[in-house]
Amino acid sequence: DAGVIQSPRHEVTEMGQEVTLRCKPISGHDYLFWYRQTMMRGLELLIYFNNNVPIDDSGMPEDRFSAKMPNASFSTLKIQPSEPRDSAVYFCASSQTVSPSEQYFGPGTRLTVT
Amino acid sequence: GQQLNQSPQSMFIQEGEDVSMNCTSSSIFNTWLWYKQDPGEGPVLLIALYKAGELTSNGRLTAQFGITRKDSFLNISASIPSDVGIYFCAGQQGFGNEKLTFGTGTRLTIIP
Repeated sequence: DAGVIQSPRHEVTEMGQEVTLRCKPISGHDYLFWYRQTMMRGLELLIYFNNNVPIDDSGMPEDRFSAKMPNASFSTLKIQPSEPRDSAVYFCASSQTVSPSEQYFGPGTRLTVT
Repeated sequence: GQQLNQSPQSMFIQEGEDVSMNCTSSSIFNTWLWYKQDPGEGPVLLIALYKAGELTSNGRLTAQFGITRKDSFLNISASIPSDVGIYFCAGQQGFGNEKLTFGTGTRLTIIP
C-alpha cells in the first residue's frame, strides 16, 4: 500500500516568494496533520483536518501560513510570503478515526528560504 | 508549545547491548506512542499504548505506559545496526483532542 505522499521533497526559494507544499494521505484515512520540524523547536503540529474540515489551526505560526484540504486525497500548505525563519522540514501525517493517534508520516519536504 | 522531556538525549552503545529510554511530562496523557526517525525520512510508528500500566512489545522493542499517565518507557533488546536513529515519544490527551505532543528525542548511535 502507498504511504503518505508529499511533494516536493526539497524546495529552495527566495525570501518573499510563495511556497506550496502538497500531501496525499493514505487512502481511507480521515485525519490529516501538518507538522514542522526544526532543531530548535522539534516537531510541532501546525494544523489538522478531520473529514477535510480544519479542526485545530492553533499551531499555524501566523497569517502567512494557510492550509486547505479540498478533498479526501489532497491537502496543501501554503506560505506567502516566505521568510528565512520558515526553513524547516514539513511533514504531513494521516490516521484513521478508529485510531486517530496512530499517525503515519510522509517523507517530508525540506524547505530552505534564502 | 509543550514538549515532552526525553532521557537520555543521546546514547552511544555497542551492538548487542540493551537500550532503555524514557519520556516524562507534567501533564497526563491518555495515549502514548513511540516513533523512530531515520535521517531524511519521516517518523515511523513503533508502538502505541492505550492503558496505564500497559506493557506492549514489537519484536525486540518493549514499551510501557506509566502508571501515573505522565511517563512512558522504551526498551530495545540486543541492539543491531539498523536500530540507529532518533526515537521520539508522543502523547495524546484524547477525548476529542487528537493532537500529538512530541518529545525532544533520543539519538541512538551504535559504536562499531
